[in-house]
Amino acid sequence: RKEVEQDPGPFNVPEGATVAFNCTYSNSASQSFFWYRQDCRKEPKLLMSVYSSGNEDGRFTAQLNRASQYISLLIRDSKLSDSATYLCVVNALGSQFYFGTGTSLTVIP
Amino acid sequence: DTEVTQTPKHLVMGMTNKKSLKCEQHMGHRAMYWYKQKAKKPPELMFVYSYEKLSINESVPSRFSPECPNSSLLNLHLHALQPEDSALYLCASSHDVVGQGPPDYGYTFGSGTRLTVV
Repeated sequence: RKEVEQDPGPFNVPEGATVAFNCTYSNSASQSFFWYRQDCRKEPKLLMSVYSSGNEDGRFTAQLNRASQYISLLIRDSKLSDSATYLCVVNALGSQFYFGTGTSLTVIP
Repeated sequence: DTEVTQTPKHLVMGMTNKKSLKCEQHMGHRAMYWYKQKAKKPPELMFVYSYEKLSINESVPSRFSPECPNSSLLNLHLHALQPEDSALYLCASSHDVVGQGPPDYGYTFGSGTRLTVV
């Protein structure tokens, strides 16, 4: 079983839509969770960390569900510029960071 | 300085060449990483250096040889590569490899070296 699993998509949504991605992890000892954004032919960039209580940054909301071992990313009022691949990254104490396969999002005019 | 700098940005090399990729960070991060990324795939871990010592080698072929001269620098020496080694090579750093510290301590990636082996 993979350490981290994501639905690869693609997700094609109209501008202004709300879209949500989930990411499941297998190691219950995982303690750090992140969402990264990667544009085509560019490096991944940290979008936001995911805190236990959930956190919001503008149009982006991240949630953590430890009981079900998944994290989620909600994007409200999608913009064309949100089109990218979104990678979840999970880390357990004493372990490396594990990447999901990425979810491709295209926001359509 | 919150950047990871990689050079060169692009590299074309023959299968008999020897070349090196370079990575530098001045954020005081104690863990540095090499990743390989093929198109439409997530980054694939190659090597981890923690406090300048190699801590993880993900069964990478010996034609890839990492080196960490000091806490700010990470090199990847390439020799006798194959065309299938063509990929984006990403360097990253983090505060600490064991994930301790505030939860917003993730990776910082360099912009990568796009390598083509001919």
